[in-house]
Amino acid sequence: DADVTQTPRNRITKTGKRIMLECSQTKGHDRMYWYRQDPGLGLRLIYYSFDVKDINKGEISDGYSVSRQAQAKFSLSLESAIPNQTALYFCATSDSWTTGETQYFGPGTRLLVL
Amino acid sequence: GENVEQHPSTLSVQEGDSAVIKCTYSDSASNYFPWYKQELGKRPQLIIDIRSNVGEKKDQRIAVTLNKTAKHFSLHITETQPEDSAVYFCAASIGSSNYKLTFGKGTLLTVNP
Repeated sequence: DADVTQTPRNRITKTGKRIMLECSQTKGHDRMYWYRQDPGLGLRLIYYSFDVKDINKGEISDGYSVSRQAQAKFSLSLESAIPNQTALYFCATSDSWTTGETQYFGPGTRLLVL
Repeated sequence: GENVEQHPSTLSVQEGDSAVIKCTYSDSASNYFPWYKQELGKRPQLIIDIRSNVGEKKDQRIAVTLNKTAKHFSLHITETQPEDSAVYFCAASIGSSNYKLTFGKGTLLTVNP
């Protein structure tokens, strides 16, 4: 779904570095989410936001922070990256007013922490 | 919190056969159960969902059944085709807040021509 984009698509970084993953959407949705996907573990929720002033922790928020700069933008930061944060990261959106619960995923960012 | 168990982790079928993937959940307040399909290298996409007030839902070759008493739900794919090959994830809402989901660990379905 081209309406949800993520940058960068791939990133290699070193332990201890700060990095930011960005998500943008043109769907006009109010809700945005960050997930990480690890082989054999499915998708796990890191943070979610219902609007610019609302940020909530998911099940695995330790080591991560987020910023909702605008309704269309939701960034995920790793303040000091560690190797076990190597994963595929997905942003997703949903619309509380029309499509309800359906979550639309971005293309993913593959992160490798050395 | 909610816990979602998904089985099997891998499933291989012949083209034209049926495939069934099963999930169980722990939170009796969960009321929304979507299924997502993720093709290799692609993003997850919703294929079907069911709410707690419905026992079964069909969409062409796919169907989902829900047993709230037993807290399990299943995905059924009939007349499988090679393009059905993908990883399938079940999910359950965390409580009655259907905007937060807990996902199963996924099932890799391979349809052999």
